[in-house]
Amino acid sequence: GENVEQHPSTLSVQEGDSAVIKCTYSDSASNYFPWYKQELGKGPQLIIDIRSNVGEKKDQRIAVTLNKTAKHFSLHITETQPEDSAVYFCAAHLSMGGGADGLTFGKGTHLIIQP
Amino acid sequence: EAQVTQNPRYLITVTGKKLTVTCSQNMNHEYMSWYRQDPGLGLRQIYYSMNVEVTDKGDVPEGYKVSRKEKRNFPLILESPSPNQTSLYFCASSLSPPGETQYFGPGTRLLVL
Repeated sequence: GENVEQHPSTLSVQEGDSAVIKCTYSDSASNYFPWYKQELGKGPQLIIDIRSNVGEKKDQRIAVTLNKTAKHFSLHITETQPEDSAVYFCAAHLSMGGGADGLTFGKGTHLIIQP
Repeated sequence: EAQVTQNPRYLITVTGKKLTVTCSQNMNHEYMSWYRQDPGLGLRQIYYSMNVEVTDKGDVPEGYKVSRKEKRNFPLILESPSPNQTSLYFCASSLSPPGETQYFGPGTRLLVL
């Protein structure tokens, strides 16, 4: 099965600075890589995703990059704001066929934006 | 409003007392899934369902049951809860198997004494 490693587990940055969270995956057949943001007391919410046929995707202050050769992908948040404080999860989707599709999550990164 | 709802949101129970956590979605999604979230372990999939009457085990299915009799509902059943099932549970749904956006419910915090 797939294994997703996420680093760091906690990240503290000054407001206005950039934040980078990194994930690696084990199975080269994985083809979909979403990032979820979880605010306190709420369920995770998709913020950006990338498929294996592209190397980078950007949406305003957030971007995701994918290196298929190295099997790693990263979330970049620029000009961080207090509302960016949350737990972020990366995930990888490995389509195993036969109806056995799975989404494997990393263990999460607690991002703290210091005022 | 498109959403996934879970009930109850908080539950305290005792070992061995059967309980059911309900999950319902109003987006006509085919794929539904249950996860548990534990500190330092992230989100781990318990069971998932590709469509009505089709369910399968995820990574941590022991001690849980599910059913999918209707497209919109996907209840999680703990027949004999144990303290190691104390956790935060999330239901999620997506239009198709998880190569698309998954929508998560608000979570159910369960404490088993």
